[in-house]
Amino acid sequence: KAGVTQTPRYLIKTRGQQVTLSCSPISGHRSVSWYQQTPGQGLQFLFEYFSETQRNKGNFPGRFSGRQFSNSRSEMNVSTLELGDSALYLCASSVVTGGYGYTFGSGTRLTVV
Amino acid sequence: DQQVKQNSPSLSVQEGRISILNCDYTNSMFDYFLWYKKYPAEGPTFLISISSIKDKNEDGRFTVFLNKSAKHLSLHIVPSQPGDSAVYFCAASAVKAAGNKLTFGGGTRVLVKP
Repeated sequence: KAGVTQTPRYLIKTRGQQVTLSCSPISGHRSVSWYQQTPGQGLQFLFEYFSETQRNKGNFPGRFSGRQFSNSRSEMNVSTLELGDSALYLCASSVVTGGYGYTFGSGTRLTVV
Repeated sequence: DQQVKQNSPSLSVQEGRISILNCDYTNSMFDYFLWYKKYPAEGPTFLISISSIKDKNEDGRFTVFLNKSAKHLSLHIVPSQPGDSAVYFCAASAVKAAGNKLTFGGGTRVLVKP
């Protein structure tokens, strides 16, 4: 059974640009959540999508957005990149929503220069 | 404000001995707790969880203890093995209130010495 797949694994962008990250959940999983991991802030919740609807949102500026498609695949977009957006972005999926934990992907390492 | 805290950023233990990782939380709405393990360049992997209706859950070498009155949980690894060297995160959720959102602690880096 394939795990959670995130693409690309590594990305280098310039300040001011925008970026789109992709996440394919485990087959049959309908909930996809996104987290940002930085050395200073740890793992911070960005948002959760379930059946193409945003169910929950963390405390991030509007530059961070996401969406989920009918096949449960999800994308995360960050516009007007700032140096502080450099982080590991993790996607996680679960069968249902409910706070019982999920399976994480390996993440996309974004570096903003 | 940090609702989940892991006050020890690192822990070093001898192979075969017990590793004890601690986690404190402040939000009384949290009713489900999890531990994840993370190797560099990989996503966190689920280890063990516990519901607030229990005070202990055991799975092989891993045991999680929950003290609700103290808002404290701990993870015991017995015996510790070199492959356990990783960063461990505790996480909490308010299942009824907050959907699928997990709030993570800052992590504890464990080094198991052979």
